[in-house]
Amino acid sequence: DVKVTQSSRYLVKRTGEKVFLECVQDMDHENMFWYRQDPGLGLRLIYFSYDVKMKEKGDIPEGYSVSREKKERFSLILESASTNQTSMYLCASKVGDSSYEQYFGPGTRLTVT
Amino acid sequence: AQTVTQSQPEMSVQEAETVTLSCTYDTSENNYYLFWYKQPPSRQMILVIRQEAYKQQNATENRFSVNFQKAAKSFSLKISDSQLGDTAMYFCAFMKPQGAQKLVFGQGTRLTINP
Repeated sequence: DVKVTQSSRYLVKRTGEKVFLECVQDMDHENMFWYRQDPGLGLRLIYFSYDVKMKEKGDIPEGYSVSREKKERFSLILESASTNQTSMYLCASKVGDSSYEQYFGPGTRLTVT
Repeated sequence: AQTVTQSQPEMSVQEAETVTLSCTYDTSENNYYLFWYKQPPSRQMILVIRQEAYKQQNATENRFSVNFQKAAKSFSLKISDSQLGDTAMYFCAFMKPQGAQKLVFGQGTRLTINP
C-alpha cells in the first residue's frame, strides 16, 4: 500500500514564526502536492512538484514556499506564519503522468496564534 | 479555469437508505477526469470512484455509482444500502489529464449515516 506520512497531526505556532511541514511518501512517486483545507472552501492547491528540485505554484501560493531535495520528501514552508494560515494542510502524491490517483497523507492541523 | 461546485454542505440519512450527492463543474475541456474522494472523520482521504469524460458508461464500484451527464456538466454520486462507515466528508474533484494533473475540488458535502 502507498503510504504518505506527515510530520505532525497537530501544530500550534505563533504569528511570525517560520513553520516547516514535512511530507514523506514511500512509493517513489514523481508528483507531490500541498493543499490546504478550509470549511466551505474544500481543498485548494498551494504548490506542487513533479520532480526533485522542481516546483510550480498552485492556486494560493502567497505566503508559502516549498522544497523538494529528495524524491520522497516534500516540505511546505510558511516563512512568517500569520493567523489566516490557520488551516488543515494535506499532502498528496501520485505516480507521473500514467496514473490519475492521488494518495493523501493524514493532514496537519496548524493553528497560528 | 475549472470550477467544481457542491451545493449540499450537509446531508443525513438512515442506515440502509440510498443517498445521492450532487456535483456540478465548469470547464471548456473535452477530455478530463472526475472523481469522488471520501474523508472519514480523523482519517485519510481516499478515492471512491473515478469517471473518464470520454466514457459514456457511468462508473460503478460496489455500492457506489455515479450519474455522469457531460452536456449538463453534472457528476452525482449515489451510495446504495448506506452503512455507518460511509459517514464522511465527500469531495468531488476535476482533473485534466494533460500537464500537471492537478485536482480541483468542490467545497465538500458532510454525509452522516444514522443508525
